[in-house]
Amino acid sequence: GENVEQHPSTLSVQEGDSAVIKCTYSDSASNYFPWYKQELGKRPQLIIDIRSNVGEKKDQRIAVTLNKTAKHFSLHITETQPEDSAVYFCAASGGYSTLTFGKGTMLLVSP
Amino acid sequence: KAGVTQTPRYLIKTRGQQVTLSCSPISGHRSVSWYQQTPGQGLQFLFEYFSETQRNKGNFPGRFSGRQFSNSRSEMNVSTLELGDSALYLCASSLKRTGGAGTEAFFGQGTRLTVV
Repeated sequence: GENVEQHPSTLSVQEGDSAVIKCTYSDSASNYFPWYKQELGKRPQLIIDIRSNVGEKKDQRIAVTLNKTAKHFSLHITETQPEDSAVYFCAASGGYSTLTFGKGTMLLVSP
Repeated sequence: KAGVTQTPRYLIKTRGQQVTLSCSPISGHRSVSWYQQTPGQGLQFLFEYFSETQRNKGNFPGRFSGRQFSNSRSEMNVSTLELGDSALYLCASSLKRTGGAGTEAFFGQGTRLTVV
């Protein structure tokens, strides 16, 4: 089955800096790669996703890049703000497989 | 449009007991998946239901089971509870299973199960 590795497990940045979280996946059949943000005590919420027919997608301060050949994808957050502090999860799915999640990255943005 | 609703929000059970958790998906969504979330382990897939049929199952013992009703509401059951079953159980619904738009998964707030 699919295996998703996520790094780093913890990331501390200063407000205004950029943050990058990286994920690799194992199943070449995977074609859908969402990212979720989970604030403390809340449900995971979809913040951006990408499908395998595109290499990059942006939405304001967040962007996701996908390299299908290398089987890795990354989340980029620019101009980080304290409210970006949360746990971020990447995931992959494809064919008839369900979402497989990485173990999460705790992002801490210091004012 | 109402989101994914899970009940109850919190449960405390004793070892050996059984528990049933409920998930009502977003109206029109037919796929419901269940995940177990524990610190350090992330979100581990339990099972997925679509049109009342289990489509995929994760690597959990047979004590974990589920079902889906004709209105797409889903329940999961854990029998003979163990201390290690303490976790946040999340369900997610999506419009369809695969292919293109509509596969985005939306999560409920979860049921926090504590086994003592």
